[in-house]
Amino acid sequence: GQQLNQSPQSMFIQEGEDVSMNCTSSSIFNTWLWYKQDPGEGPVLLIALYKAGELTSNGRLTAQFGITRKDSFLNISASIPSDVGIYFCAGRGGGGGSNYKLTFGKGTLLTVNP
Amino acid sequence: SQTIHQWPATLVQPVGSPLSLECTVEGTSNPNLYWYRQAAGRGLQLLFYSVGIGQISSEVPQNLSASRPQDRQFILSSKKLLLSDSGFYLCAWSPASTSPLHFGNGTRLTVT
Repeated sequence: GQQLNQSPQSMFIQEGEDVSMNCTSSSIFNTWLWYKQDPGEGPVLLIALYKAGELTSNGRLTAQFGITRKDSFLNISASIPSDVGIYFCAGRGGGGGSNYKLTFGKGTLLTVNP
Repeated sequence: SQTIHQWPATLVQPVGSPLSLECTVEGTSNPNLYWYRQAAGRGLQLLFYSVGIGQISSEVPQNLSASRPQDRQFILSSKKLLLSDSGFYLCAWSPASTSPLHFGNGTRLTVT
């Protein structure tokens, strides 16, 4: 099946720093999604990407759909303490059938020191 | 707007007892519905998904079952819980198979 490698597994940064995390796949994806999960809650959708090369922003967050369709990155600029949480990437392949199911990365745990 | 409700938020059950977790979606019709389990290692594992009433697909063999008795209701059940069933269970919905998923706030299940 499809697998996603998400890195880094964890990050410890100072408030105000920029953050970058990425996901790579052994398969081509048609959709890349980025979620954030706060402790004890469900993941919340941050950004959705549907086209190779697409660059999309949501406030201080920016994500890109890699040209090869096998990778995506998420950047957070000027981090603040409420950015703390687990960030997940998720990808969906094409071709219908079981390919419509999402594959999730294992998450990046972000800690921001004030 | 659409909302998803999942309950209970936390549950402590003894080994061998039954389980019923409920999830409902409001503000939409004929959603795709999903049950995920999130282990301590953070990974999200798809357990079941449903594209319509009475239509359930199971992803992994396990001690759990799912049912969809109504269009916007998804239930996760077990007849006899195992210790290994402990975890964080998440319900999610999407308007279509190609759309992003939207998650509920989860149920923390501890089997003792």
